[in-house]
Amino acid sequence: SQQGEEDPQALSIQEGENATMNCSYKTSINNLQWYRQNSGRGLVHLILIRSNEREKHSGRLRVTLDTSKKSSSLLITASRAADTASYFCATATNAGNMLTFGGGTRLMVKP
Amino acid sequence: NAGVMQNPRHLVRRRGQEARLRCSPMKGHSHVYWYRQLPEEGLKFMVYLQKENIIDESGMPKERFSAEFPKEGPSILRIQQVVRGDSAAYFCASSPQLAGYNEQFFGPGTRLTVL
Repeated sequence: SQQGEEDPQALSIQEGENATMNCSYKTSINNLQWYRQNSGRGLVHLILIRSNEREKHSGRLRVTLDTSKKSSSLLITASRAADTASYFCATATNAGNMLTFGGGTRLMVKP
Repeated sequence: NAGVMQNPRHLVRRRGQEARLRCSPMKGHSHVYWYRQLPEEGLKFMVYLQKENIIDESGMPKERFSAEFPKEGPSILRIQQVVRGDSAAYFCASSPQLAGYNEQFFGPGTRLTVL
């Protein structure tokens, strides 16, 4: 399977609940990034976590990185209907240049 | 500060025609990346360019596809003799320095439909 696989593929929750998405990857990385994509739109960068970091926060977002397990999680707290989107993790290696994306988690937040 | 610009946003071509997709990076960014996204899938890297140079084209099909980033003007992704399988969203991203150390900023994409 490809680098950067998200789990679950789809997630449906009620407004106010927390949403947790997981990402696994295969090779050593320099950093891991999470992006959001609304239906039919471009990608919006959410957060970048470097390989020497374990946890990072940005507003209602919390990202963790476990390099020993080659996995990351994205937690969205107190979700809102506007959080409905697809969320992708992407990894960058020490060789740089390209990002390798997973297949994404489709999150639906019901009002 | 305008973001990454792509045009056209939607492009319809018949099989055998050529498709030209344009990308203007953010001001001050000299690195451009092209990705392709098939429906319900993640993005797949195609090519990485700096001004007048192709740095990595390992994700780009060997035939019919080409990319350039001239000294002046936007980056162009060119698809010759399009086939139905080329239908996808094509995203351009830019960064000010090597992407392994910084985020990439994405454009809104060009949605190509091949009839």
